[in-house]
Amino acid sequence: EPEVTQTPSHQVTQMGQEVILRCVPISNHLYFYWYRQILGQKVEFLVSFYNNEISEKSEIFDDQFSVERPDGSNFTLKIRSTKLEDSAMYFCASEGQSNYGYTFGSGTRLTVV
Amino acid sequence: GEDVEQSLFLSVREGDSSVINCTYTDSSSTYLYWYKQEPGAGLQLLTYIFSNMDMKQDQRLTVLLNKKDKHLSLRIADTQTGDSAIYFCAEIYTGGFKTIFGAGTRLFVKA
Repeated sequence: EPEVTQTPSHQVTQMGQEVILRCVPISNHLYFYWYRQILGQKVEFLVSFYNNEISEKSEIFDDQFSVERPDGSNFTLKIRSTKLEDSAMYFCASEGQSNYGYTFGSGTRLTVV
Repeated sequence: GEDVEQSLFLSVREGDSSVINCTYTDSSSTYLYWYKQEPGAGLQLLTYIFSNMDMKQDQRLTVLLNKKDKHLSLRIADTQTGDSAIYFCAEIYTGGFKTIFGAGTRLFVKA
């Protein structure tokens, strides 16, 4: 069964450093998303991406965050200058047909120290 | 704004039915979902229901939607230990590009 692949599975970074979280969505999917889950809290929406542009973003997704789909297969989330409160599990998801439900990756656990 | 609320824990005995409840605030929700998250894994879509439906059944899973009360439930028949996980209720509203998730209900299944 097709799956969404995220790398790395764990990332530890120093505060102020840039990180890039990588995702390979399902190949024929058109809609792409990043969510995050701080330990024990809700799964929070960050950004949605369709037709090579951001469709919607949350208040969390400020100027420190950016997304790219550079080569038609990878979908990346960049955090320019990480803060301690960015520590969370980051999930990538893709969707083939609008509103029929997402396929999530296994997540990248980001720890900012 | 949009919000989805769920109880945090549910404990059942193996073989019993589990009912996980969810309430949502956005009356323009068009699709509602149940996702399952096992330890260390991403969220897995279990089922979804359109807002013009009252019920959907899929093997051991039954989804009930009360649109008037904005209440969604997931019933798992003959619950097994492998059903132990966190279950997330989620909604998307008309014209939206994001799905809103609840905090998840942790289901414990006792043998």
